[in-house]
Amino acid sequence: DGGITQSPKYLFRKEGQNVTLSCEQNLNHDAMYWYRQDPGQGLRLIYYSQIVNDFQKGDIAEGYSVSREKKESFPLTVTSAQKNPTAFYLCASSISRVAEQYFGPGTRLTVT
Amino acid sequence: DAKTTQPNSMESNEEEPVHLPCNHSTISGTDYIHWYRQLPSQGPEYVIHGLTSNVNNRMASLAIAEDRKSSTLILHRATLRDAAVYYCILRRRMTTDSWGKLQFGAGTQVVVTP
Repeated sequence: DGGITQSPKYLFRKEGQNVTLSCEQNLNHDAMYWYRQDPGQGLRLIYYSQIVNDFQKGDIAEGYSVSREKKESFPLTVTSAQKNPTAFYLCASSISRVAEQYFGPGTRLTVT
Repeated sequence: DAKTTQPNSMESNEEEPVHLPCNHSTISGTDYIHWYRQLPSQGPEYVIHGLTSNVNNRMASLAIAEDRKSSTLILHRATLRDAAVYYCILRRRMTTDSWGKLQFGAGTQVVVTP
């Protein structure tokens, strides 16, 4: 089955630790995205990538980093510099940057 | 970026139609109207999009006002599985400067009652 997988579903970390969230897609999509969602709010764009080895900051990139070494994979690292890291993180992909986006199931990160 | 305004919540009975309004009075000629929905604890799902003409697909219909300042997403027969947050999003047509970013607002929470 084609789709987007994110792991783990729930993640717990201590304050001050970096943590990397996984996102893999087998849809052969060029573009991939990371969003953050806080309770009762819409999604906000963190980073996006249109092709391998290229990525751009979204609206709230501070405290986050990404890499795109393979077409299928777009991991997100939440660094200790991110002031409020506890949130629901969603990865998406699309065949091109203007096509509809397909979302993964999300990772719920809790930092205490 | 042009903004959209949606009601916070709407209720419907199962098997009845649901009409979800969206106001976008500052829409520009290059903005597409997109709808996504998000079921509880899941990622959003694409529903439908349009530019000027009404659109239909297997999930829903999109009715766009003649002046494009508003639109309505229509779910023809609501089921319990349609209970979700529905987002109305204006997406700019791609140019050299714009890549058509999706800008999510708070959306409309649809409650379906058996």
